[in-house]
Amino acid sequence: DIQMTQSPSSVSASVGDRVTITCRASQGISSWLAWYQQKPGKAPKLLIYAASSLQSGVPSRFSGSGSGTDFTLTISSLQPEDFATYYCQQANSFPGTFGGGTKVEIK
Amino acid sequence: EVQLVQSGAEVKKPGESLKISCKGSGYSFTSYWIGWVRQMPGKGLEWMGIIYPGDSDTRYSPSFQGQVTISADKSISTAYLQWSSLKASDTAMYYCARLRYSSNPPDYWGQGTLVTVSS
Repeated sequence: DIQMTQSPSSVSASVGDRVTITCRASQGISSWLAWYQQKPGKAPKLLIYAASSLQSGVPSRFSGSGSGTDFTLTISSLQPEDFATYYCQQANSFPGTFGGGTKVEIK
Repeated sequence: EVQLVQSGAEVKKPGESLKISCKGSGYSFTSYWIGWVRQMPGKGLEWMGIIYPGDSDTRYSPSFQGQVTISADKSISTAYLQWSSLKASDTAMYYCARLRYSSNPPDYWGQGTLVTVSS
């Protein structure tokens, strides 16, 4: 299986801050990467697919970049509703392994 | 509107069997894969396996092969995840999710089914 490593595991930030989360794949996955947001007690929500394509209805403050093995999720101006855990997932081959998650907490 | 509605929470004893369900609506159930994802308490997301209800093609993640069975009944647009003998370590939230292709990221998710296994 392809291993996905996210960093940091947690980040403390304030409303309005720019937040960047990184994800590294153990082998090249082209642009086959997705990002999810999960709030406590809720199912994950797809934010970004194909590394940089915004899922319908997702605010434009979320953006994704990268290809090959290194990827980034950026929240340009953190809003109160963005405090959650974020996961990357490789979509290159089954099983689509997930990263360990990054918890974005209020500073 | 696409919806995946999962069956309710379960409390079981070790050694018991269980089958949980995921009913799809608002789309062509036989044209998309359905996957199952485990989330143990306080932990991350793990793919368990996927099924294509159109022809019942089923694939399991190596960690879950032989541990669970995934099935689907396309006549009622429902997918299933079952265990023949539960263990305490099966205690987790289980999500179903829809995928367009077998390695695609899921775009719609069920609300989750909490399974608690305790003596």
